[in-house]
Amino acid sequence: DSGVTQTPKHLITATGQRVTLRCSPRSGDLSVYWYQQSLDQGLQFLIQYYNGEERAKGNILERFSAQQFPDLHSELNLSSLELGDSALYFCASSFTAERGTEAFFGQGTRLTVV
Amino acid sequence: AQSVAQPEDQVNVAEGNPLTVKCTYSVSGNPYLFWYVQYPNRGLQFLLKYITGDNLVKGSYGFEAEFNKSQTSFHLKKPSALVSDSALYFCAVRDIRGGSYIPTFGRGTSLIVHP
Repeated sequence: DSGVTQTPKHLITATGQRVTLRCSPRSGDLSVYWYQQSLDQGLQFLIQYYNGEERAKGNILERFSAQQFPDLHSELNLSSLELGDSALYFCASSFTAERGTEAFFGQGTRLTVV
Repeated sequence: AQSVAQPEDQVNVAEGNPLTVKCTYSVSGNPYLFWYVQYPNRGLQFLLKYITGDNLVKGSYGFEAEFNKSQTSFHLKKPSALVSDSALYFCAVRDIRGGSYIPTFGRGTSLIVHP
């Protein structure tokens, strides 16, 4: 158990809908990262928050947004969903965002858009 | 930009034989390198990291990795493979984006250990 909790584990929704994925980082970790994993694109970085503030953006679509709350949990919001958004979404956390610090991953949320 | 590459999509090895999963890196400055493993329907698990010092790094589950500066490689190794080692393995580096160091992964190598 990595200590990172993601809910829900599975989500099936229709095109055009909006969903929210939730992540609780390891106790004490200030940095949260969101990734999308698909077969053809590999593990793609979406966005990072550090102690409540957005720090870095990756390949995140405008239809997607995220936030980190004062208790450090984070939510990833996906709207106007398309079939191509079907993927595994991972949250990871680390105590710092320094170069030598490993990140710990949650079990992921498998999103299926039908 | 810092990046890693995994030249093999899949590695097949017989149980009991040594295994190697390859990774090459491209970084500026001192390299900080990581290996993770992903079992089916699970998140990535941290295995080991290289920061500085001994070129042979020991990690979880009997895995080790050899850092080679001249070949810019960081190969994952295990002396005797188990069927339960079958999984997806990712090499990683923290790449700088917008002033922050972000874990950035290779495309992954599927390790299949045959009984």
